[in-house]
Amino acid sequence: SQTIHQWPATLVQPVGSPLSLECTVEGTSNPNLYWYRQAAGRGLQLLFYSVGIGQISSEVPQNLSASRPQDRQFILSSKKLLLSDSGFYLCAWSGSGASQQFFGPGTRLTVL
Amino acid sequence: EDKVVQSPLSLVVHEGDTVTLNCSYEVTNFRSLLWYKQEKKAPTFLFMLTSSGIEKKSGRLSSILDKKELFSILNITATQTGDSAVYLCAVGVLDGSARQLTFGSGTQLTVLP
Repeated sequence: SQTIHQWPATLVQPVGSPLSLECTVEGTSNPNLYWYRQAAGRGLQLLFYSVGIGQISSEVPQNLSASRPQDRQFILSSKKLLLSDSGFYLCAWSGSGASQQFFGPGTRLTVL
Repeated sequence: EDKVVQSPLSLVVHEGDTVTLNCSYEVTNFRSLLWYKQEKKAPTFLFMLTSSGIEKKSGRLSSILDKKELFSILNITATQTGDSAVYLCAVGVLDGSARQLTFGSGTQLTVLP
């Protein structure tokens, strides 16, 4: 069966510091991968998605970036965090061409 | 711009009540509508609807889609405290080779004992 992992689970970082969040999927090949951010009391905002290694599409211009160095690994990064980057970050995967997405446990990021 | 609107934003009921959650949408390249339940962490999948008028059912939960009027409802009968969660509606659209989901802001359901 497929599983999706995210780490860390929680993170507290000062403004201006770098960020690296990692997501890995097991039990499937060539998944579509997604990064979402959820602000408190709000819906999910799609940040990036990827249909293959090295292929990244950005939905929202911001100081975040994403990379997919391996088929089942998706990384969210920032060189300098802003206060507004605080939120709950969720990674998700879907089968190629499928609508249903499966979510990881999430990372709660607080920028102080 | 694709839009998904959920109502009500929050709802407080007592155990045993029946609730109806609403989701309306305006999107291009519609493929499907999905419902998720989110408690503390990751959203968990409930239903995916692609055809109008066909009810999907799982225990006390059911959902139906109206593609002409562009909305869906999620019904929960005989609510229990364990049903307390945020219920998210998402519409699947086709964008290139990826199926993307556009989410509504969710309905916060609180079930009191």
